[in-house]
Amino acid sequence: DIQMTQSPSSLSASVADRVTITCQASQDISSYLNWYQQKPGKAPKLLIYDASNLEIGVPSRFSGSRSGTDFTFTISYLQPEDIATYYCQQYHSLPLTFGGGTKVEIK
Amino acid sequence: QVQLQESGPGLVKPSQTLSLTCTVSSGSIGSGSYYWSWIRQPAGKGLEWIGRIYTSGSSNYNPSLKSRVTISVDTSKNQFSLKLTSVTAADTAVYYCARCSGPIDNWGQGTLVTVSS
Repeated sequence: DIQMTQSPSSLSASVADRVTITCQASQDISSYLNWYQQKPGKAPKLLIYDASNLEIGVPSRFSGSRSGTDFTFTISYLQPEDIATYYCQQYHSLPLTFGGGTKVEIK
Repeated sequence: QVQLQESGPGLVKPSQTLSLTCTVSSGSIGSGSYYWSWIRQPAGKGLEWIGRIYTSGSSNYNPSLKSRVTISVDTSKNQFSLKLTSVTAADTAVYYCARCSGPIDNWGQGTLVTVSS
């Protein structure tokens, strides 16, 4: 299985801050990496697909990038409604695997 | 926008079989090149992919669960289903059905299944 190591597991930031989450794949997954937002009691929602493509309807303050097997997810200016847990997920190989999640809170 | 809705018992006894159905609405389960997946999430924990099925009937399962899982599809009812046998407390989780086009672009709301006697 491809392991997805996501960090940090939690973070606290102020409104308007820039927030960065990283995900490292245990082997090459090309750009087959997606990012999801999950709010409490809700299903995950796709934000970024194929490492850097913004899903339709998702605010442009969300972005993603890739450098080899390292992936970065960024919220350029944190908004109160961005409080959630964020997950990365690879679909290069089966089984599909997820990172452990990053819980984002407001300071 | 296609919608997915899970249904099934919320309580299952240990050693029994967990059975869930996902009903797809506002779209045909057979249209497009999609896989239909089950994913679960224990309370306070991360996401685990269980398996997926294509409308042809071809399926793939997570090796960690493969011996206990069967996913099937009924295109006439626009549904796909999950069966997980010999459940234990470790199978207690919110179970999501989802549509995958590569990315998982559409999710059901999730249903909590508790394994307890």
